[in-house]
Amino acid sequence: DAGVTQSPTHLIKTRGQQVTLRCSPKSGHDTVSWYQQALGQGPQFIFQYYEEEERQRGNFPDRFSGHQFPNYSSELNVNALLLGDSALYLCASSLAGQSNEKLFFGSGTQLSVL
Amino acid sequence: QQQVKQSPQSLIVQKGGIPIINCAYENTAFDYFPWYQQFPGKGPALLIAIRPDVSEKKEGRFTISFNKSAKQFSLHIMDSQPGDSATYFCAASRDGSQGNLIFGKGTKLSVKP
Repeated sequence: DAGVTQSPTHLIKTRGQQVTLRCSPKSGHDTVSWYQQALGQGPQFIFQYYEEEERQRGNFPDRFSGHQFPNYSSELNVNALLLGDSALYLCASSLAGQSNEKLFFGSGTQLSVL
Repeated sequence: QQQVKQSPQSLIVQKGGIPIINCAYENTAFDYFPWYQQFPGKGPALLIAIRPDVSEKKEGRFTISFNKSAKQFSLHIMDSQPGDSATYFCAASRDGSQGNLIFGKGTKLSVKP
């Protein structure tokens, strides 16, 4: 049973560019949450997708957007990259209605903005 | 405004020691308090979690102590091993916020052999 898978594992972009990160949830899960983890910090909630719609959003600008596909996989898009967007981006999946004890994280995508 | 404050930032103990990591929260609506363990290059993995209706929970060598009136909770690792060396995060969430956890800044634990 595959867990949460994310791609790519590492990515280098230039300031001002756009980036797309991908996440496949754990088998049987239908809800995807995205987090940003800056170096030396705890993960920060970006947003959550369920039924192909954004359901919750943290304190992140509109440059951060997402999408969920009918197979429950998800994308995180970041436009007009800033140096401060350099971070580990984590995807977490769950099944709607279950407690956060059933939340599983992927290994993340390490984004470096130069 | 940091809703979950974690200390210490780093911790070094000898094998067999009992590291203690502390967290304090502000939002009284929080009702779920997990601890996550993260190794380099990996995502956080749930270690143990507690809800406010109990004051202590043990799972193997890991214990959470919870003080609702003080709005504090802590993680104790009994008989720590070098393999426990990792970064530990406390977090909190409220009912209805599935998938939306508020994390502390983390504690880097090193267990010396």
